[in-house]
Amino acid sequence: DSGVTQTPKHLITATGQRVTLRCSPRSGDLSVYWYQQSLDQGLQFLIHYYNGEERAKGNILERFSAQQFPDLHSELNLSSLELGDSALYFCASSIRQSTDTQYFGPGTRLTVL
Amino acid sequence: GDSVTQMEGPVTLSEEAFLTINCTYTATGYPSLFWYVQYPGEGLQLLLKATKADDKGSNKGFEATYRKETTSFHLEKGSVQVSDSAVYFCALSDVPSGGYQKVTFGTGTKLQVIP
Repeated sequence: DSGVTQTPKHLITATGQRVTLRCSPRSGDLSVYWYQQSLDQGLQFLIHYYNGEERAKGNILERFSAQQFPDLHSELNLSSLELGDSALYFCASSIRQSTDTQYFGPGTRLTVL
Repeated sequence: GDSVTQMEGPVTLSEEAFLTINCTYTATGYPSLFWYVQYPGEGLQLLLKATKADDKGSNKGFEATYRKETTSFHLEKGSVQVSDSAVYFCALSDVPSGGYQKVTFGTGTKLQVIP
């Protein structure tokens, strides 16, 4: 158990819909990272938040957005969903922005029908 | 930009065989290097890491040495077990000048160990 929690575990929705994925980092960790894992794209970095502020953006679509709240939990919002958005979405946390090791949550499996 | 290249999988080995999974990288700074493992149905977890040249990371019988001259961080294990069957990801962490921590993952190598 990494100490990072993600909800929900599974999510099935239809094209065009909007969903919110939630992540709670390990106690004491200030950084949260979001990743998308799909069969054809591998593990793709989406976005990084540190202590409530956006720090880095990766391959995140404009239809996707994220935020980190004062209690340090984070949410990833996916809108206008397409079939190709079906994937595993992982959240990871680390102590601070310059530290190296990331601790991953169990992931949310999103299926868009 | 930074990149990580891993050998293509899947790799299929018999129990007790020797394992090598190759990983090479390109980076602009002085990265830290990692191996993460993903067991079926789970998230990634750190297997080992090395933060500077010639460092050797080790854990659970796995080893990898940070080779700056060959920009490599190959994963090895002397005798694999069925329980080692998983996907292995090589990764680097870098802080570009004036920027923030950035982690780049390889595409992953699936290992299947058969009894």
